[in-house]
Amino acid sequence: AQSVTQLGSHVSVSEGALVLLRCNYSSSVPPYLFWYVQYPNQGLQLLLKYTTGATLVKGINGFEAEFKKSETSFHLTKPSAHMSDAAEYFCAANINQGGSEKLVFGKGTKLTVNP
Amino acid sequence: DAGVTQSPTHLIKTRGQHVTLRCSPISGHKSVSWYQQVLGQGPQFIFQYYEKEERGRGNFPDRFSARQFPNYSSELNVNALLLGDSALYLCASSFAHEQYFGPGTRLTVT
Repeated sequence: AQSVTQLGSHVSVSEGALVLLRCNYSSSVPPYLFWYVQYPNQGLQLLLKYTTGATLVKGINGFEAEFKKSETSFHLTKPSAHMSDAAEYFCAANINQGGSEKLVFGKGTKLTVNP
Repeated sequence: DAGVTQSPTHLIKTRGQHVTLRCSPISGHKSVSWYQQVLGQGPQFIFQYYEKEERGRGNFPDRFSARQFPNYSSELNVNALLLGDSALYLCASSFAHEQYFGPGTRLTVT
C-alpha cells in the first residue's frame, strides 16, 4: 500500500536558521506530491506541489522541495525560518486508484521557531 | 473567488446521535472529497465524489455516508456517533490533481 512517512514529529529551529522537514513516500509509481501547512484550528493550505518536470519545486512563503526519485523523498526546506512559520506541516501523495483520486498524508511535523 | 466553505464550524453531539456536515466546493470544481483528522494525526481519506457519483471510499465503517448534489455541494453523514468520531472533518474540492481544503468542521462527541 502506498504510504507517506514524515521523519520527526517535532522540529525546533531558531529564527533565521535553516528549516528541513523530511518526507519519504512508498509507491512503485512516483505519485504527485504535496506539502501542506496547517495553523492551529484551521484547514490545510497548499505550500507547493510536484507533478512532473522540474524536480526542484518552489512554493509560497519561501519554501521549496526537491523530488528525488532514487531516494523516494520529497523534503521541504526554507533557508531562513521566520516566527510565522511555526505550524504543522503535512506531506501528502496523490494516489490514483480505480478512478478515484485521494491524498495519503504523513502524520505531520510540528515546527517550532524559537526567537 | 470564494474558497471551499464548510458548515457548521463546530459541533457537539452525544454518543449514538447522528450528524450532517456540509461542504460547498470552489465554483467550477466538480469533485469533492472528505477527510477525517484526529488530533495529532494526518488527515485520513473518507470519500471522493465526482459528478454526484461516489468514486472512492476509505476504510471507514458504513456509519459514514455522503452524497453530492447537482450544484456539486456535498454532505457527510455519520450515524450512531462514537467517542472516537471526535475529529476535524475536512472537505476538499479538486481540479487538475490539486485539492483545495476548507476550514473544517470540529466535531466533538461526548
